[in-house]
Amino acid sequence: AQTVTQSQPEMSVQEAETVTLSCTYDTSESDYYLFWYKQPPSRQMILVIRQEAYKQQNATENRFSVNFQKAAKSFSLKISDSQLGDAAMYFCAYRSYNQGGKLIFGQGTELSVKP
Amino acid sequence: DAGVIQSPRHEVTEMGQEVTLRCKPISGHNSLFWYRQTMMRGLELLIYFNNNVPIDDSGMPEDRFSAKMPNASFSTLKIQPSEPRDSAVYFCASSRATNTGELFFGEGSRLTVL
Repeated sequence: AQTVTQSQPEMSVQEAETVTLSCTYDTSESDYYLFWYKQPPSRQMILVIRQEAYKQQNATENRFSVNFQKAAKSFSLKISDSQLGDAAMYFCAYRSYNQGGKLIFGQGTELSVKP
Repeated sequence: DAGVIQSPRHEVTEMGQEVTLRCKPISGHNSLFWYRQTMMRGLELLIYFNNNVPIDDSGMPEDRFSAKMPNASFSTLKIQPSEPRDSAVYFCASSRATNTGELFFGEGSRLTVL
């Protein structure tokens, strides 16, 4: 069975600085998707960024980018120019290509942004 | 476009009572998921449907939990009888197809069982 591990329960960053959130996963599959979701205090789950495993190029979305290392099974999220609104819980998630659409989530990293 | 709609947003009930949570997926999406979020266990998949058919219910905790999807635009998650350990936030999510695209989540239903 696939697992997702986020080893940083809490992280803190100064406004306008850069922070990297770590995620590792375990799978024997070669085709899959990886996601980062953001959950602010409002508790709404919001997709931040997505990566298809067959793509070598790292995904980017404005200030958010990933470092996808398929061999190492690592999928970190980098937030540049951090803003107060980035403060939230961030979840890394795995989705198998062959087992339907269910997402397997990591335990989450709570990010605080200091002004 | 309307997102995934869940009701109620908050429910407080007493142990032993029946609880029904409701979900309306995004129109055109054919997969629907129920997740539960707690501090101790994080986000757990309870069950998911493809084209209104339950595909994987291995995450349903026990027989007190049941889920239905009578049509493409409505699903319910029922707990009977409820227990204090069922207190959690329950999320419904939908997606367009099983192997493409992300899941879109509702705002969640916070359940408190006293």
